[in-house]
Amino acid sequence: EAGVAQSPRYKIIEKRQSVAFWCNPISGHATLYWYQQILGQGPKLLIQFQNNGVVDDSQLPKDRFSAERLKGVDSTLKIQPAKLEDSAVYLCASSLDGAADTQYFGPGTRLTVL
Amino acid sequence: AQSVTQLGSHVSVSEGALVLLRCNYSSSVPPYLFWYVQYPNQGLQLLLKYTSAATLVKGINGFEAEFKKSETSFHLTKPSAHMSDAAEYFCAVSSNSGYALNFGKGTSLLVTP
Repeated sequence: EAGVAQSPRYKIIEKRQSVAFWCNPISGHATLYWYQQILGQGPKLLIQFQNNGVVDDSQLPKDRFSAERLKGVDSTLKIQPAKLEDSAVYLCASSLDGAADTQYFGPGTRLTVL
Repeated sequence: AQSVTQLGSHVSVSEGALVLLRCNYSSSVPPYLFWYVQYPNQGLQLLLKYTSAATLVKGINGFEAEFKKSETSFHLTKPSAHMSDAAEYFCAVSSNSGYALNFGKGTSLLVTP
């Protein structure tokens, strides 16, 4: 079974530029998560989708971050404009459904903002 | 809000020694608790999870954890460390809304020969 796919793996941009990340979850997984992992810290939830609806985006900086999950499958996360403090690894995860279900993580996209 | 605290950002053990990584949780309701491992430049991989069934949970690679409600703890152990266990370990708890995970800050495990 294929795992969670993410691209690109690495991205370097200048501050104030825009960037987009893509995630393809495991087939059949209804729930998709985007986490931000700053160096030396644990991942922090940015947004959670259930199918193509948003369940929780309370920690998403909506003035610069946006995300969508069209057709309840793939998802994109966008940052516009980027700030230096956005340098982090962006992890996508998916799960079948429910609190006890295992979340499967992709390899992440490492973003460096100069 | 539910949260976890990992005690010790770095733990060093000798190969063959006991591994003990500490995690305490804060939750007003029975929690779901998880341990994940992260190898360099990779995503997180589930080691084990507690979902209110047996309090002693066995996971992959010889790891296990015991849920202790009286101590609000969910410590991760392995009887004998291998060099390949060197990685970052994260304890996590399901949040109140939507089942997203609240992670601890992580513990870096170093295994020395």
